[in-house]
Amino acid sequence: EVQLVESGGGLVQPGGSLRLSCAASGFTLSDYEMNWVRQAPGKGLEWVSFSSSSGSTIYYADSVKGRFTISRDNAKNSLYLQMNSLRAEDTAVYYCARDPWGASKAFDIWGQGTMVTVSS
Amino acid sequence: QSALTQPASVSGSPGQSITISCTGTSSDVGNYNYVSWYQQHPGKAPKLMIYDVSNRPSGVSNRFSGSKSGNTASLTISGLQAEDEADYYCSSYTSSRNPVFGGGTKLTVL
Repeated sequence: EVQLVESGGGLVQPGGSLRLSCAASGFTLSDYEMNWVRQAPGKGLEWVSFSSSSGSTIYYADSVKGRFTISRDNAKNSLYLQMNSLRAEDTAVYYCARDPWGASKAFDIWGQGTMVTVSS
Repeated sequence: QSALTQPASVSGSPGQSITISCTGTSSDVGNYNYVSWYQQHPGKAPKLMIYDVSNRPSGVSNRFSGSKSGNTASLTISGLQAEDEADYYCSSYTSSRNPVFGGGTKLTVL
């Protein structure tokens, strides 16, 4: 079964750091571009970051640029999101999503999400 | 990049058809045929329903269809069923290369 499973969420204080992981199964991660998308409580979807299949091309939303870092370990079939200098407005469910047509045109497989809460 | 504009809510009775609009600009919806639609039930992850304006992924019911005219894309659901009640989000590729989502539309099946 093709599946994405996120982990690493939790409660963190403002200014703190957290590293999210996304484990892929049922397909080879290195064949796909990947993204992180988040959803604040009761709000809509917001694209966060993109990684090309090799990890050589990366993009970020302006709201996280300079604070978040996307990376991947294709040998481990895993995608990551390092989040530093966290703010209250980063509180959200974070989803990893597969990008089969490239360039973030559409996302066909989503994980179940991991909740990040930034609060003192 | 501003969010795409969707109605906050739409409703319909079982068996009816409804259409959800998604309005953008010439920098996104109007200039690219890369509009996608997602269905999200409460507490669940989004599910891809339409990509490239009007294409359905394998396994998605043909009751779901997409179209585009100018800067506005639309999702039509025909033969409404109770299980269609969910939030729906559109998304578009943009000239800045970063995708943008709509604010979401809550579909209520009466």
